[in-house]
Amino acid sequence: GESVGLHLPTLSVQEGDNSIINCAYSNSASDYFIWYKQESGKGPQFIIDIRSNMDKRQGQRVTVLLNKTVKHLSLQIAATQPGDSAVYFCAEKRGSQGNLIFGKGTKLSVKP
Amino acid sequence: GAVVSQHPSRVICKSGTSVKIECRSLDFQATTMFWYRQFPKKSLMLMATSNEGSKATYEQGVEKDKFLINHASLTLSTLTVTSAHPEDSSFYICSARKLIGKETQYFGPGTRLLVL
Repeated sequence: GESVGLHLPTLSVQEGDNSIINCAYSNSASDYFIWYKQESGKGPQFIIDIRSNMDKRQGQRVTVLLNKTVKHLSLQIAATQPGDSAVYFCAEKRGSQGNLIFGKGTKLSVKP
Repeated sequence: GAVVSQHPSRVICKSGTSVKIECRSLDFQATTMFWYRQFPKKSLMLMATSNEGSKATYEQGVEKDKFLINHASLTLSTLTVTSAHPEDSSFYICSARKLIGKETQYFGPGTRLLVL
């Protein structure tokens, strides 16, 4: 069936290193993608989004890359900090009024 | 920014009772609000979508008589878990989407429900 999934369920990085979190999606009709950060016991927090007509978008310390050929999405966090420790979810959306479909999540642990 | 609040943040109830969770968009009007359920170490599962003034659309497998959703205004949606049982214990999260033309969903902080 259609799904959004993640390659790595857990990721441990050293403080100051760059982090890369990957996500695969299966529906080529998806045209909008979002990364969310969720800290323990809290709701998801919007990080960055990208539309299907783009292949890269940068924010503050974060970059999202979209490869539609292989249906792959990644989130890069530069100079990872302890405060970045959380679970990261990718989500896809189909059409302007479509519902978000969440991937399984990757837990990022940052070692000081 | 866009802020979404939920109340209560935590609730413990006895089996058989009903629990109401409120979701409010504090600084914007939301045509559409969403209710999600999340089990520990799992992803968010969409339960239902509600549009202001109309009946909610439930995802497959979600009992509409069990999870009553009301979206009476552009800033408030409520989820009532009726006759709660221990298996209903979960983390319930709402999100809101701004008026037409905006796609970003803003999430509330979640409500932890424990049914004894």
